[in-house]
Amino acid sequence: KNQVEQSPQSLIILEGKNCTLQCNYTVSPFSNLRWYKQDTGRGPVSLTIMTFSENTKSNGRYTATLDADTKQSSLHITASQLSDSASYICVVSSHTGFQKLVFGTGTRLLVSP
Amino acid sequence: DGGITQSPKYLFRKEGQNVTLSCEQNLNHDAMYWYRQDPGQGLRLIYYSQIVNDFQKGDIAEGYSVSREKKESFPLTVTSAQKNPTAFYLCASSISDEGYEQYFGPGTRLTVT
Repeated sequence: KNQVEQSPQSLIILEGKNCTLQCNYTVSPFSNLRWYKQDTGRGPVSLTIMTFSENTKSNGRYTATLDADTKQSSLHITASQLSDSASYICVVSSHTGFQKLVFGTGTRLLVSP
Repeated sequence: DGGITQSPKYLFRKEGQNVTLSCEQNLNHDAMYWYRQDPGQGLRLIYYSQIVNDFQKGDIAEGYSVSREKKESFPLTVTSAQKNPTAFYLCASSISDEGYEQYFGPGTRLTVT
């Protein structure tokens, strides 16, 4: 069964600290892996997209890694800001004639002052 | 100002009534999608459309209907047959369904009592 599991479910960190969110997946065949940021009550916004051949990609203070062999990804947030408080969703795409996205349940991050 | 718009932001209906959620995009994207988001669950695909006048069922299409008469518009009707319609509904679009990034709208929160 195609699944995406994220950990931790929720996380509280102090402003200015770093944190790392984890994503494990069992989606096959694999096309790409995405990280989205979703503010409460809003639509998700893409942070990074990585294909099979990419093992790291950065977007400002956000750095995603991908290990296609172990089917794991992480999202590292550096020097956190209050505005980073949101849910972070890992999404794996499987392309079998149609781009099927499998969504994780997200990690809810709270950055505390 | 390009993007995806959904209206209304909040919608309240009585049980037994059909309701239509609007989704419009001016990104010139061919593919459009409807997802449902419930607390503690990943987004689930309701319907998708790869091109005008064509659409396909997603994983949870029962109790929903869509139309794609124009490239810019992909309205979703939640019918009285949908057993648990209260949820956050997200519309998305992409250039095509060939692995391109999906852009999400701001969402509509539907409450049925």
